[in-house]
Amino acid sequence: AQSVTQPDIHITVSEGASLELRCNYSYGATPYLFWYVQSPGQGLQLLLKYFSGDTLVQGIKGFEAEFKRSQSSFNLRKPSVHWSDAAEYFCAVGAPAGQNFVFGPGTRLSVLP
Amino acid sequence: GAGVSQSPRYKVAKRGQDVALRCDPISGHVSLFWYQQALGQGPEFLTYFQNEAQLDKSGLPSDRFFAERPEGSVSTLKIQRTQQEDSAVYLCASSLVRGGGQPQHFGDGTRLSIL
Repeated sequence: AQSVTQPDIHITVSEGASLELRCNYSYGATPYLFWYVQSPGQGLQLLLKYFSGDTLVQGIKGFEAEFKRSQSSFNLRKPSVHWSDAAEYFCAVGAPAGQNFVFGPGTRLSVLP
Repeated sequence: GAGVSQSPRYKVAKRGQDVALRCDPISGHVSLFWYQQALGQGPEFLTYFQNEAQLDKSGLPSDRFFAERPEGSVSTLKIQRTQQEDSAVYLCASSLVRGGGQPQHFGDGTRLSIL
C-alpha cells in the first residue's frame, strides 16, 4: 500500500523568499503524484501533477515540483513566495491501478510581510 | 455546475442523531469520492463510486456510515447515531474517468460538529 510523508508540519518564510516543501512517498512502482493547496474553509485545489516523462513539472501560481525516483521524493518549489500563498499544502499519491488518493498530513505555510 | 458542490457547508448535530451530507459532482464525471479530514490532518479516503456502483467502501470507519449514488450523479453520505469522533470535514471529489492518475476535483466540504 502506498503512503506519503511530509516531514515539515509548519514552515514560515518571508514574502519574496524561495520555498521548498518536502514530500516522500512509499510505493512499489512509479505512482501518480499530486500537490494540492487548501485555504482555510476551502476545498483542495490542484497545483500540479506528475504521471511520467519530464521529472520537473510546472503548475499553477508559479509552483513547480521535481520527481526524484532515487529519493522517492516529489518536492514542491516556488522561487518567490507571495502573501497569498499562505495555506495548507498536501502531497498525494495515486496508484495507477487504483482509484483513491493517499494524502500526506500536510504542511502549513505562513508568509511574513 | 462549474465545480463540485457540497451541502450543507456546516452541520451541527447532537450525539446520537443521524445526518446526511450531499455532494453534487461536476457534470459528466464518472468517479466520485468521499474523504474525511480531521482537524490538522490530511484527507482520508472513505468510499468510491463509479457511476452508481460503489466499488470501494474500505475506508468507511464503521457500519454507521453509509453512502449512495443512486442515479450516478448526486451522492449522499449518511452517518447514523453520530458520535463525537465523527466531527470532521467531509470532502467530496469527482474525476472525469476512473483511474488513479486522474486529477480529483474537490468541493469545499461539509464541516460536521457533533455536540
